[in-house]
Amino acid sequence: DTEVTQTPKHLVMGMTNKKSLKCEQHMGHRAMYWYKQKAKKPPELMFVYSYEKLSINESVPSRFSPECPNSSLLNLHLHALQPEDSALYLCASSPGTGARGANVLTFGAGSRLTVL
Amino acid sequence: GNSVTQMEGPVTLSEEAFLTINCTYTATGYPSLFWYVQYPGEGLQLLLKATKADDKGSNKGFEATYRKETTSFHLEKGSVQVSDSAVYFCALSPTSGSRLTFGEGTQLTVNP
Repeated sequence: DTEVTQTPKHLVMGMTNKKSLKCEQHMGHRAMYWYKQKAKKPPELMFVYSYEKLSINESVPSRFSPECPNSSLLNLHLHALQPEDSALYLCASSPGTGARGANVLTFGAGSRLTVL
Repeated sequence: GNSVTQMEGPVTLSEEAFLTINCTYTATGYPSLFWYVQYPGEGLQLLLKATKADDKGSNKGFEATYRKETTSFHLEKGSVQVSDSAVYFCALSPTSGSRLTFGEGTQLTVNP
């Protein structure tokens, strides 16, 4: 299995809603990532988990809350979002984060979020 | 800091034309270099990679050579197809660590 699976594919939520994005991989990778991608732009790193511990938080607002329940799962909890948070949210995983050969990322198809 | 510069798009070609998308980088040490492709409505897929100078990455007819002397990793394909229409991102990963730096992306459209 060489895939990263993200659910849901599409999500529409109001500014007062609480929702979650989910990501799963079964490649034995020990690093998992959340990226945000606006239209016609490259992905922007949000969070990195390494061995189930948060290792990078790119100064993301607290209305985004990541969670890594185990080495195969990564969640992104959403609360009180703003319309400008509408974007494609990409999950990725890699074998590790250290040596160069370990940092090849496999991306999921993304969850397209619309905040009304 | 690290940076990646890609040729500006969009690029429009006819089927079977030759493709070059230029990519240059700035980084310390010995980064790994990547090309990712994003088809409409999808996530990013790794197209090819190179981890050291003079390495050539290749996949699906695409090629790129890691040129340390010119700090470049240009993407080429000899004969593009309509199905190659997508956005192409050049990226680098530092000697250690997981922080990918992406270029701005180049939109490629191939017409029949």
